[in-house]
Amino acid sequence: EPEVTQTPSHQVTQMGQEVILRCVPISNHLYFYWYRQILGQKVEFLVSFYNNEISEKSEIFDDQFSVERPDGSNFTLKIRSTKLEDSAMYFCASSELLGGQFFGPGTRLTVL
Amino acid sequence: AQTVTQSQPEMSVQEAETVTLSCTYDTSESDYYLFWYKQPPSRQMILVIRQEAYKQQNATENRFSVNFQKAAKSFSLKISDSQLGDAAMYFCAYRLYGGATNKLIFGTGTLLAVQP
Repeated sequence: EPEVTQTPSHQVTQMGQEVILRCVPISNHLYFYWYRQILGQKVEFLVSFYNNEISEKSEIFDDQFSVERPDGSNFTLKIRSTKLEDSAMYFCASSELLGGQFFGPGTRLTVL
Repeated sequence: AQTVTQSQPEMSVQEAETVTLSCTYDTSESDYYLFWYKQPPSRQMILVIRQEAYKQQNATENRFSVNFQKAAKSFSLKISDSQLGDAAMYFCAYRLYGGATNKLIFGTGTLLAVQP
């Protein structure tokens, strides 16, 4: 069964450093998303991406964040200058136009 | 703005018994999806079941079924014959059907414990 994959599973970084989180969505899906979950809290939407551009973003997704689809398979989330409060689980998801979104296993980001 | 509320932070069920998790939501839209996601300790988000608002028939997936009450804006999940592997955090989520946004809006989750 096709699945969304994410790398790395765990990333530790120093405050102020740049990180890139990688995702490979399900191959025939056209919509891609990033969500985050701070430990013990609910899952929050960050951004959606369709047709090589951002279709929607939340208030959390400020200028420190960017997304890219550098090739036909990868979808990345970059945080330019990490802060302590960026520590969270980051989930990539993908979907067709309608229906459910399928999530990857997540990347746990720890900012020290 | 749409909101999703899960009023039960924790629930417990005996193995082989049935448990119902509650979810209510608020929206002024008429066409939308509702979902239940399961998050085990691994923290993977697993889609359990989905319901299209235009469908009157309640969705079922094996031991999982929903009770969708559109007028009451209620969407509960029933787990029958509970198994130890069902122990997880369960999130209810809402998504607009079509339109300018397809982001998921999640509730705060219900932590389900299954007692042997």
